[in-house]
Amino acid sequence: SQTIHQWPATLVQPVGSPLSLECTVEGTSNPNLYWYRQAAGRGLQLLFYSVGIGQISSEVPQNLSASRPQDRQFILSSKKLLLSDSGFYLCAWGFTNEQFFGPGTRLTVL
Amino acid sequence: DAKTTQPTSMDCAEGRAANLPCNHSTISGNEYVYWYRQIHSQGPQYIIHGLKNNETNEMASLIITEDRKSSTLILPHATLRDTAVYYCIVRVIGAGTLTFGKGTMLLVSP
Repeated sequence: SQTIHQWPATLVQPVGSPLSLECTVEGTSNPNLYWYRQAAGRGLQLLFYSVGIGQISSEVPQNLSASRPQDRQFILSSKKLLLSDSGFYLCAWGFTNEQFFGPGTRLTVL
Repeated sequence: DAKTTQPTSMDCAEGRAANLPCNHSTISGNEYVYWYRQIHSQGPQYIIHGLKNNETNEMASLIITEDRKSSTLILPHATLRDTAVYYCIVRVIGAGTLTFGKGTMLLVSP
């Protein structure tokens, strides 16, 4: 069966610090991978998606970036965090019909 | 922008059917209706999807009007664990990305 892992579960970072969130998927090959963010009181916003290794599409301009160094690994990064980067970050994988979400990382930028 | 309109919140008594409406008056012929839900502090969970026929699975039923401009998600016997935000999404199958609106907060009470 397929599983998706995200870490860390929670993170508190100062403004201006770097960020690296990791997502890995098990039990499937060549999935589409997604990063979403949910800010407090707001809906889910798609940040990035990837249809293969090294292929990243950005949905919104921001100070975040994503990379897919391996088929089942998706990394969300920032060189300098902003207060507005606080939120609940969700990684998802999927193919045609469904997307399956990970447990999420709750990021607080102070 | 989300292409669907949902009520902000709904209440339902435990054991009763929960009927969650969604308007998607601008839906295209090749767009499906998807429903996801998000329990607090967890990632979204796929529930069901359909094109024009009514669909049923172990979680819920989806009723789509003949003109496809609206649909209703039915949880036949709501439990306290069904308390969540329910998202109605329209997308072209295979398009890969999901656009989440604000959803409906369903509160199931004893």
